[in-house]
Amino acid sequence: KQEVTQIPAALSVPEGENLVLNCSFTDSAIYNLQWFRQDPGKGLTSLLLIQSSQREQTSGRLNASLDKSSGRSTLYIAASQPGDSATYLCAVEDTGRRALTFGSGTRLQVQP
Amino acid sequence: NAGVMQNPRHLVRRRGQEARLRCSPMKGHSHVYWYRQLPEEGLKFMVYLQKENIIDESGMPKERFSAEFPKEGPSILRIQQVVRGDSAAYFCASSFFTGELFFGEGSRLTVL
Repeated sequence: KQEVTQIPAALSVPEGENLVLNCSFTDSAIYNLQWFRQDPGKGLTSLLLIQSSQREQTSGRLNASLDKSSGRSTLYIAASQPGDSATYLCAVEDTGRRALTFGSGTRLQVQP
Repeated sequence: NAGVMQNPRHLVRRRGQEARLRCSPMKGHSHVYWYRQLPEEGLKFMVYLQKENIIDESGMPKERFSAEFPKEGPSILRIQQVVRGDSAAYFCASSFFTGELFFGEGSRLTVL
């Protein structure tokens, strides 16, 4: 059974810092991995999707990497801004199954 | 191009009543997924549907819960005889056959 863990559970940084969020998964037979953002009381916004054959994806100040063999992904946020404050969720799609398994998220607070 | 639309956004029911949650997928998407987020917990997969077919219901509770995605109209998640433990945010997502999932804003059910 796939399990997804995110570290740290919470993070508070001053504005402008570069930061790394970590995600690990137990079963490496994944089809893809997706990073989401969730604001309080809101839905999920897709940030980046990495196919299992890819090593990384970039969008603006965000960069996500995937090391499938070691079961790890990182989300790198450059030059953080207060508007980046949210919960960041990592989710994996196992090969042959469309259901996503989510981590518990990292709650990020960027201080102005 | 409207996103995934869920309604109602908030629903209050008394124990024993029925709750019906509706989800209209993004235009062109024929795959719908329901997830549940219990208070202070991560998102858990419930069910994956295509038009008129349930593909994977491995995350659905065995009793009181049902889902459908008819040929015409939205997908419906139905909870019969609700209990306090059903209080949660229920999220719908849609996709093409493969690739990125797009989530709605969620329906927040409160059972009194």
